[in-house]
Amino acid sequence: EIVLTQSPATLSLSPGERATLSCRASQSVTNYLAWYQHKPGQAPRLLIFDASSRATGIPARFSGSGSGADFTLTISSLEPDDFAVYYCHQHSDRPLTFGGGTKVEIK
Amino acid sequence: EVQLVESGGDLVQPGGSLRLSCAASGFTFTNYAMSWVRQAPGKGLEWVSSINAGAGSPHLADSVKGRFTISRDNSRDIVYLQMTSLRGEDTATYYCARAISTRGYNLDWGQGTLVVVSS
Repeated sequence: EIVLTQSPATLSLSPGERATLSCRASQSVTNYLAWYQHKPGQAPRLLIFDASSRATGIPARFSGSGSGADFTLTISSLEPDDFAVYYCHQHSDRPLTFGGGTKVEIK
Repeated sequence: EVQLVESGGDLVQPGGSLRLSCAASGFTFTNYAMSWVRQAPGKGLEWVSSINAGAGSPHLADSVKGRFTISRDNSRDIVYLQMTSLRGEDTATYYCARAISTRGYNLDWGQGTLVVVSS
């Protein structure tokens, strides 16, 4: 099973600041990596697929990068609506797995 | 607009059974794989099961293999998760998702349905 390790577990930032979230895989997933945003009581939302492609309707302040085993989700300037938990997800190999999540909270 | 509406979550005793349903609308159901993902209280997301568009090739996580079954009714645009021999560790919010494939990412998710396994 491919293990995804996300860091940091919590990121405390102010609106307008840049957020950099990391996801490291225990082995290469090539570019089969997605990122989701999840708020309490809501459906998770796809942000990024194939490591760096923005999903439909996702603002340009969200960007993904990386390949192989190291990936980054960057939010260039945090909006109030961006404070949430973010998960990475590999679909290179079964079983599909998710990272433990990074909570982006208001400082 | 894509909508995925889960139902069937409940309080059930250990060893019991439950069937979750997910009604889909807003897209051509027969063009997409469907998945179930769960989230235990205070924990992260865990993939549970996926089924391809044609209702074949079901895949299950090892943690539920032999106890859970995924199926779909393409005439009614519904995907099911039949859960048997439920355990406390199955307590979670269960999300239905539209997937790009059975080994793909999830395009859209429902709001989830809560399953609590407790005596």
